[in-house]
Amino acid sequence: AQKVTQAQTEISVVEKEDVTLDCVYETRDTTYYLFWYKQPPSGELVFLIRRNSFDEQNEISGRYSWNFQKSTSSFNFTITASQVVDSAVYFCALRNTGGFKTIFGAGTRLFVKA
Amino acid sequence: DTEVTQTPKHLVMGMTNKKSLKCEQHMGHRAMYWYKQKAKKPPELMFVYSYEKLSINESVPSRFSPECPNSSLLNLHLHALQPEDSALYLCASSHPKTSGRVNEQFFGPGTRLTVL
Repeated sequence: AQKVTQAQTEISVVEKEDVTLDCVYETRDTTYYLFWYKQPPSGELVFLIRRNSFDEQNEISGRYSWNFQKSTSSFNFTITASQVVDSAVYFCALRNTGGFKTIFGAGTRLFVKA
Repeated sequence: DTEVTQTPKHLVMGMTNKKSLKCEQHMGHRAMYWYKQKAKKPPELMFVYSYEKLSINESVPSRFSPECPNSSLLNLHLHALQPEDSALYLCASSHPKTSGRVNEQFFGPGTRLTVL
């Protein structure tokens, strides 16, 4: 069975703080994709990153960085120097490479206060 | 054009009404999806179309009827809904799994549905 766990329900930080959102996944598939999506109050799910299971290189994009560790089945997301505009719900998701179904975690609601 | 559009943005309907949600994309994607999202929950997959054919129906009640008239359009016809069907309905598109291309999903802004 596939499962994605985001243990942090809500996180509140002050602007300019760094924050890490945790994601742990379970799958029996040997090849799969991991995703992070952002959902601002407007409702749209915004794609942030995709990671292939065979590529464990960490990635940095501006203030965003992702740490993929296959050994611990984790795919954590760090926002550096957070801003109020980062306030949103963030979903971690999993899909096997041959499938249509995306398994979403429960989401982490991030509040960034000015 | 990397956009998925959905209309209407908001919809209020009674339990006896018939209405439709529309979704459109022009990215050449041949897989399209409907998701339902309740407040403070993750999206739940309802239907998947691949090459305009229904591939997945996640045991959705028949009061929801999807339709894919062409490769760019996806509709969700609603009839005799219940108040518990009130939710955000998200459409997404991707390259299909058989295309050999990476198939991350691009989501539309959603239709916020209220059933009275």
